[in-house]
Amino acid sequence: QVQLQQSGPGLVKPSQTLSLTCAISGDSVSSKSAAWNWIRQSPSRGLEWLGRTYYRSKWSNDYAVSVKSRITINPDTSKNQFSLQLNSVTPEDTAVYFCARTGAGKGWFDPWGQGTLVTVSS
Amino acid sequence: DIQMTQSPSTLSASVGDRVTITCRASQSISSWLAWYQEKPGKAPKLLIYEASSLESGVPSRFSGSGSGTEFTLTISSLQPDDFATYYCQQYSSYWTFGQGTKVEIK
Repeated sequence: QVQLQQSGPGLVKPSQTLSLTCAISGDSVSSKSAAWNWIRQSPSRGLEWLGRTYYRSKWSNDYAVSVKSRITINPDTSKNQFSLQLNSVTPEDTAVYFCARTGAGKGWFDPWGQGTLVTVSS
Repeated sequence: DIQMTQSPSTLSASVGDRVTITCRASQSISSWLAWYQEKPGKAPKLLIYEASSLESGVPSRFSGSGSGTEFTLTISSLQPDDFATYYCQQYSSYWTFGQGTKVEIK
């Protein structure tokens, strides 16, 4: 049974970098049959997919156009986890952030991490 | 981007009612659609994938139908545990979600 456990700060100052980590149990970040995603949820934007990382014969990433210039998602094979970095944050980036798994060739998200409320405020 | 529009935004119903939620896609997504249930303070929970396939462990009172641009989630007999917000999500081209339908107690 795959489980995802998120960690990271709940408060970030404007213009700084939001950083979150998602630890995986029951699967491998290097699995060729999975992809590892970040999604956020806010009252103004609803549920918004941000990006993913996955390994087939090499590591690849896909990012949403809305955050493409500011986002990095990296795998950490030594700790079996993956991370989200979002640069130059503004109050608009205040949201609950989730990590989630998709299967290879499958587009639904399951399971999800528990969610982290990140507030951007000075 | 493919836009997903759910209706209604809020639905008031009683235990035992049959409930139907509609999700429309801005272009055809074949059957590449999932449904989720979300409760306050919790992550969304997968109910249905590929428009009509019931996720393991999900009660059979939940069902999904549709293809192309119009989809429905039906709860055949609403139970107390079903009062929640429901989201559709397309995965035909990247991933986008509907705005949600809140099912509340009448």
